[in-house]
Amino acid sequence: EAGVAQSPRYKIIEKRQSVAFWCNPISGHATLYWYQQILGQGPKLLIQFQNNGVVDDSQLPKDRFSAERLKGVDSTLKIQPAKLEDSAVYLCASSLGPAGVNEQFFGPGTRLTVL
Amino acid sequence: AQSVTQLGSHVSVSEGALVLLRCNYSSSVPPYLFWYVQYPNQGLQLLLKYTTGATLVKGINGFEAEFKKSETSFHLTKPSAHMSDAAEYFCAVSVSNYKLTFGKGTLLTVNP
Repeated sequence: EAGVAQSPRYKIIEKRQSVAFWCNPISGHATLYWYQQILGQGPKLLIQFQNNGVVDDSQLPKDRFSAERLKGVDSTLKIQPAKLEDSAVYLCASSLGPAGVNEQFFGPGTRLTVL
Repeated sequence: AQSVTQLGSHVSVSEGALVLLRCNYSSSVPPYLFWYVQYPNQGLQLLLKYTTGATLVKGINGFEAEFKKSETSFHLTKPSAHMSDAAEYFCAVSVSNYKLTFGKGTLLTVNP
């Protein structure tokens, strides 16, 4: 079974530029998550999708971050414009159903450096 | 609101020694509790989880954790550390079958 795929693995941009990350979850997984992991901290949930609907985006900085999940499968996370404090690893995860009972499977992450 | 505190950002043990990583949680309702491991430049992998039932939970790679409601703890242990256990470990809590809240992580170093 293929795991969660993410691309790119690394990205370096200058502040005020825009960037997009892509995630392909495990086939059949209805729930998809985007996390931000700043160096030295645990992952923080940015947004959670159930199929193609948003379940929770309470910690997503909506003035600069956006995410979509077209057709309930792949997802894209965008930052526009980027700030220095956005430097982090962005992790995508998926699960069969909502968090808790259902195990979340994580992708390898995209490491973003904002200069 | 739920939260997790991991005591000790860095734990160092000798190969063959006991591994003990501490986690305390805060939750107003019965929680689900998890331990994840993260190797360098990789995503997180589930080690074990507690949902209901038996409070001693066994996971992969010889790890286990015990849910102690009276102490609001979910400490992770392994009797004998191996070099391959060196990684970062995250404790997480979930309530009401909803989102995970992670601790800040504990970096485990295993010395030969």
